[in-house]
Amino acid sequence: LAKTTQPISMDSYEGQEVNITCSHNNIATNDYITWYQQFPSQGPRFIIQGYKTKVTNEVASLFIPADRKSSTLSLPRVSLSDTAVYYCLVGPADRGSTLGRLYFGRGTQLTVWP
Amino acid sequence: EAGVAQSPRYKIIEKRQSVAFWCNPISGHATLYWYQQILGQGPKLLIQFQNNGVVDDSQLPKDRFSAERLKGVDSTLKIQPAKLEDSAVYLCASSLGPGQGEETQYFGPGTRLLVL
Repeated sequence: LAKTTQPISMDSYEGQEVNITCSHNNIATNDYITWYQQFPSQGPRFIIQGYKTKVTNEVASLFIPADRKSSTLSLPRVSLSDTAVYYCLVGPADRGSTLGRLYFGRGTQLTVWP
Repeated sequence: EAGVAQSPRYKIIEKRQSVAFWCNPISGHATLYWYQQILGQGPKLLIQFQNNGVVDDSQLPKDRFSAERLKGVDSTLKIQPAKLEDSAVYLCASSLGPGQGEETQYFGPGTRLLVL
């Protein structure tokens, strides 16, 4: 089970771009990288998932280098409402058929200041 | 589309009492998960169901925790007897199931349990 390492906390200001890097040195060949966001008193919410290179959606971008031992979540022009905990997870995409347990870790507390 | 529903939202009990949580996943989702999230930590998987069968319960404290998903839809998680260290948020999540491609998990709002 590939575990991940992320910064415990990050601070930013409104309008800035935020990059959160996650290390996953033991990532397996069939593992995907997934990021979730969690606000206080809510369950985690899926942000983005990727396998290699770059993935972009309406919320964020995910950069994955060729060796896949790390990944970077990029949030463009953050606002106060982006203040949340961000979790990086590594595991097989089709978890329903495996014992691929999701390991959330402690996540990164992002605080956006006005 | 309705999300994952959980009840109750909050529960306060005394140690050694029993408690049950209920989860209704998104319609059509075959896989259901129960997580425990202790304050300041990330969610920890307790049990994973595929329809009404258990896929993974290796981190479920089976001496006091039990879970069932009898008809492959709703699920209940029970703690009996509760300990102080069981104070946490219990999250339910669901996903489409195997062979459906990307296995995004959709989480409910959680049940906040306080054991006194």
